Amino acid sequence: DTGVSQDPRHKITKRGQNVTFRCDPISEHNRLYWYRQTLGQGPEFLTYFQNEAQLEKSRLLSDRFSAERPKGSFSTLEIQRTEQGDSAMYLCASSFQGAPYEQYFGPGTRLTVT
Amino acid sequence: KQEVTQIPAALSVPEGENLVLNCSFTDSAIYNLQWFRQDPGKGLTSLLLIQSSQREQTSGRLNASLDKSSGRSTLYIAASQPGDSATYLCAVTNRDDKIIFGKGTRLHILP
Repeated sequence: DTGVSQDPRHKITKRGQNVTFRCDPISEHNRLYWYRQTLGQGPEFLTYFQNEAQLEKSRLLSDRFSAERPKGSFSTLEIQRTEQGDSAMYLCASSFQGAPYEQYFGPGTRLTVT
Repeated sequence: KQEVTQIPAALSVPEGENLVLNCSFTDSAIYNLQWFRQDPGKGLTSLLLIQSSQREQTSGRLNASLDKSSGRSTLYIAASQPGDSATYLCAVTNRDDKIIFGKGTRLHILP
């Protein structure tokens, strides 16, 4: 399968614990995006990378959140000291820089904080 | 700031009917507009992508139109089936490469 993959698909954690998610983009894509989707809402942009450089972070990304893409391939999103409000679907997407500006989405990681 | 609005928020129609989902956006400076399908608890499935220079795209029973100047798109579903029941999301790719999503239309096809 050559699509975007995410791991784990589901994560249940207790409030206050740290969690880390992984995204593997389509191999030729140099851009990688993270989005968050809460119940009843559309996904919202969190951050994106071009190669290994993190180019932009949304104000939604509090200081408890950190994302990395150390070698310009896979990316990790870590949430420290999780809160119940962090419960959401975390979606990863990848694309080429430039036209046709199409992002390909992974299946998402559903986080439940109890 | 780009805003994407989808109307209606929810829709129930009998099987076999044709239906239209609406999407509007406030900033016409977009690269493309995309319609996604999302089943409960699942990720996004891309249905149709319309580049900013295009007016419509078709795939099977689905047809999406784009009127960039008026900031509107429609998704037309012909001969609806129970398997079409899902949430349909409209999204635009802004010139800064970020995708802005609407909140979706929850579609229920009644058998």
